Amino acid sequence: DAGVIQSPRHEVTEMGQEVTLRCKPISGHNSLFWYRQTMMRGLELLIYFNNNVPIDDSGMPEDRFSAKMPNASFSTLKIQPSEPRDSAVYFCASSSRTGRNGESGYTFGSGTRLTVV
Amino acid sequence: AQKITQTQPGMFVQEKEAVTLDCTYDTSDQSYGLFWYKQPSSGEMIFLIYQGSYDEQNATEGRYSLNFQKARKSANLVISASQLGDSAMYFCAMRERGSNYKLTFGKGTLLTVNP
Repeated sequence: DAGVIQSPRHEVTEMGQEVTLRCKPISGHNSLFWYRQTMMRGLELLIYFNNNVPIDDSGMPEDRFSAKMPNASFSTLKIQPSEPRDSAVYFCASSSRTGRNGESGYTFGSGTRLTVV
Repeated sequence: AQKITQTQPGMFVQEKEAVTLDCTYDTSDQSYGLFWYKQPSSGEMIFLIYQGSYDEQNATEGRYSLNFQKARKSANLVISASQLGDSAMYFCAMRERGSNYKLTFGKGTLLTVNP
C-alpha cells in the first residue's frame, strides 16, 4: 500500500498564478479530506468528499479555492489566483468507514508546502 | 467554542520518563471518536491511537495509551518510557457522527524529550 500520495511536495509560485495540488487516496477509501496547516490557524479542514461527492466545503476560504474529485483515485485543490497569505502546508487525507466506529482512522499524505511570493 | 482544547503549547520530559499530553473535547454527540497524531519536524502526520466513545477500556498501542475520562470529556495521551524520537508536535482530534465524520484538530502540543 503506497499510502496517500500528494504532489508536488513543494511549490513556489508568484502571486497571481494558478496553483494545482494533487492527491491520490488509498485505494478503497471512500472519503477524502483537504486540510491546510499554518502556524497561526493550525490544521483547518477545507473540504471533504464522500464517494467522490463534496459533502462539506464550508472551510474553503474564498472563491479563489476550488476542489474536484473526478474519480475515486484522484482529487485536486486549485487556487486561482494565488496570494501570499495562501502560503501553508496542504494535506490530503483519506479514510474508510470500516470497523468499529470507523476506527481505521485517517491516513495523511506527506503534504504540499506552498509558498506564494 | 473550541471543539478540541490542548492547553499545553509545549512540554518537556526526560528520556525514559513518562509524559501526559492533555486533551479536552466538546461534543453533544453520543457517538464520536478521538484520535492522536504525531507530527515530527519532517512534517508528516502519523496516526498513533484511537478511542471510540463507546469503548469501555482505554486504548493502548505499544508505548502509547489514552486516558479516556468520558464524564470529564478528556482524552489525554500518555507516552511511557519517552525516547528522543518522540520529540514532535502532538495533535488531538475528534470525529463526531453529527458532523459527517470530519476530523477536527486541536492546536497541538510540542513535546521535547531531553537526553
